[in-house]
Amino acid sequence: GQNIDQPTEMTATEGAIVQINCTYQTSGFNGLFWYQQHAGEAPTFLSYNVLDGLEEKGRFSSFLSRSKGYSYLLLKELQMKDSASYLCAVRVLTGTASKLTFGTGTRLQVTL
Amino acid sequence: DSGVTQTPKHLITATGQRVTLRCSPRSGDLSVYWYQQSLDQGLQFLIQYYNGEERAKGNILERFSAQQFPDLHSELNLSSLELGDSALYFCASSVGLTSGRPGELFFGEGSRLTVL
Repeated sequence: GQNIDQPTEMTATEGAIVQINCTYQTSGFNGLFWYQQHAGEAPTFLSYNVLDGLEEKGRFSSFLSRSKGYSYLLLKELQMKDSASYLCAVRVLTGTASKLTFGTGTRLQVTL
Repeated sequence: DSGVTQTPKHLITATGQRVTLRCSPRSGDLSVYWYQQSLDQGLQFLIQYYNGEERAKGNILERFSAQQFPDLHSELNLSSLELGDSALYFCASSVGLTSGRPGELFFGEGSRLTVL
């Protein structure tokens, strides 16, 4: 099976930088996604890593180390609208099937 | 707008009843996934269909069933409903291996089910 761990909650100040960590244990790993989900809304894609290293996309960056089973999402210049849950999801290939398994999410609260 | 359409958006029903949730994937996407998200819980994978065939099964109860039709829309049937089935049910679609981000899911707005 898959096991994905991320902190339950984090708080940060507007304008600051926050790093949300995710560790995973899985077989058939084939990519890691980060999604943002505002309360009661659909998750939306933020970032994707399949190879080791850093992917940067505006204020958001994501890092992956496959050997360590570790990823982080870095959010810079935090804004109030960044208050949301951030979901780490691992893509697993099993035969011809591919599915995303999600962590429970990290609820980020951005304060003034 | 992800292009994935789910109906109904909200549904209130009683224990023991049966409901059907409907999903239309993005144009061209062959895969449909169903996820359940209970209050303050993560997204739990239920089932996946690819071009009309069941491809993967997750933590789906026997009281739940799904299917994907020739026009690629999918339905999730929930029967003998219990209070604990109250949740947001998300449908997502995927274009598959031809995508630059294989496996990326595009989510519908969800169907919020309340069982009283």
